[in-house]
Amino acid sequence: KAGVTQTPRYLIKTRGQQVTLSCSPISGHRSVSWYQQTPGQGLQFLFEYFSETQRNKGNFPGRFSGRQFSNSRSEMNVSTLELGDSALYLCASRSRTGSYEQYFGPGTRLTVT
Amino acid sequence: AQSVTQLGSHVSVSEGALVLLRCNYSSSVPPYLFWYVQYPNQGLQLLLKYTSAATLVKGINGFEAEFKKSETSFHLTKPSAHMSDAAEYFCAVSAANTGNQFYFGTGTSLTVIP
Repeated sequence: KAGVTQTPRYLIKTRGQQVTLSCSPISGHRSVSWYQQTPGQGLQFLFEYFSETQRNKGNFPGRFSGRQFSNSRSEMNVSTLELGDSALYLCASRSRTGSYEQYFGPGTRLTVT
Repeated sequence: AQSVTQLGSHVSVSEGALVLLRCNYSSSVPPYLFWYVQYPNQGLQLLLKYTSAATLVKGINGFEAEFKKSETSFHLTKPSAHMSDAAEYFCAVSAANTGNQFYFGTGTSLTVIP
């Protein structure tokens, strides 16, 4: 099975712009979660989608949003970028049965200048 | 809700020595526990998982972890460190009463000294 894929792998944006990141889960996985990883804050949960519905949400401002499509692919959008949004954004997919382990993609490195 | 504490943000071991990375969890219901490894500029890779079956869990690359309910611990060990083990390690917990949402520890950076 192919793993979780994320595009693009690297992005450089300017403060005030918006950005959209994409994630394709493992085939058959219907749950997709997003995380922000920074040296200072570690791994922080953004949100989880399952069958096109947001199931859980972390403590992030409304500038961070996401959606999931019927094929389980997910996108994450950040509007009005701030310097502090520079981070590695990780996507993870999982089956909703069993132990629910998550499988991570390689991440998108976002740099805001 | 659940939480995880990883003791020691940085651990250094000599090549060939025992690796011990500590993880303590908090959960009011039976948890699922996981260890992930992250190499520079990569995503997280699942090392092993505890799913209420055997308390001693074996994972990839020679790692294993033991679930100890009385100590609320899930420490990661490897008998003999290899240079390629140098990476960041994350412990995570999830449980059914919070929709199986993952809660990660702050990570432990492992350095292997030749």
